[in-house]
Amino acid sequence: DTGVSQNPRHKITKRGQNVTFRCDPISEHNRLYWYRQTLGQGPEFLTYFQNEAQLEKSRLLSDRFSAERPKGSFSTLEIQRTEQGDSAMYLCASSLMRNTGELFFGEGSRLTVL
Amino acid sequence: KNEVEQSPQNLTAQEGEFITINCSYSVGISALHWLQQHPGGGIVSLFMLSSGKKKHGRLIATINIQEKHSSLHITASHPRDSAVYICAVPQGGSEKLVFGKGTKLTVNP
Repeated sequence: DTGVSQNPRHKITKRGQNVTFRCDPISEHNRLYWYRQTLGQGPEFLTYFQNEAQLEKSRLLSDRFSAERPKGSFSTLEIQRTEQGDSAMYLCASSLMRNTGELFFGEGSRLTVL
Repeated sequence: KNEVEQSPQNLTAQEGEFITINCSYSVGISALHWLQQHPGGGIVSLFMLSSGKKKHGRLIATINIQEKHSSLHITASHPRDSAVYICAVPQGGSEKLVFGKGTKLTVNP
């Protein structure tokens, strides 16, 4: 399958622990996006990469959040010292063109912080 | 900042009905996205349009750039169309998309 893959799909952790999510985009897509979605809300932009460069980062992304995309392929989103407010669905999407390009989303990684 | 408003928030229909979901935005855009999200979270891109109308099967999306408004229509609705439909627009010259809160559609048999 050549779709966007995210893992783990579900993560339950205790407050204060670190978690890492991985996203494997469609192979030829040079743009990769991370979004966060809480219950009843639309997704909110977190950050995006063009190839390996992180070109934009939302103010929603506190110092506890870091994202990487080494070699411009897969990406990781790490949350350090998790807080209950971090509980959300973390969505990854990829595209081939500028923001007028169609986005392909993964199934998301749901984080629950106890 | 581009603000996106969708209506209605919730919509219940009987199988076979014609469905319309509306999206308004505040700042001029290059393209608008319509997305479908099923329970469990996965999001599928339905349309990306910058003018006029696009059709895919029973789904039709229209956009009026001057009025900053788009509609998503579903003809002959079916229970499998039950999902949350979300519209999204670019935030100014940024790469980020601003999403509406979504319209939850339930189609009853």
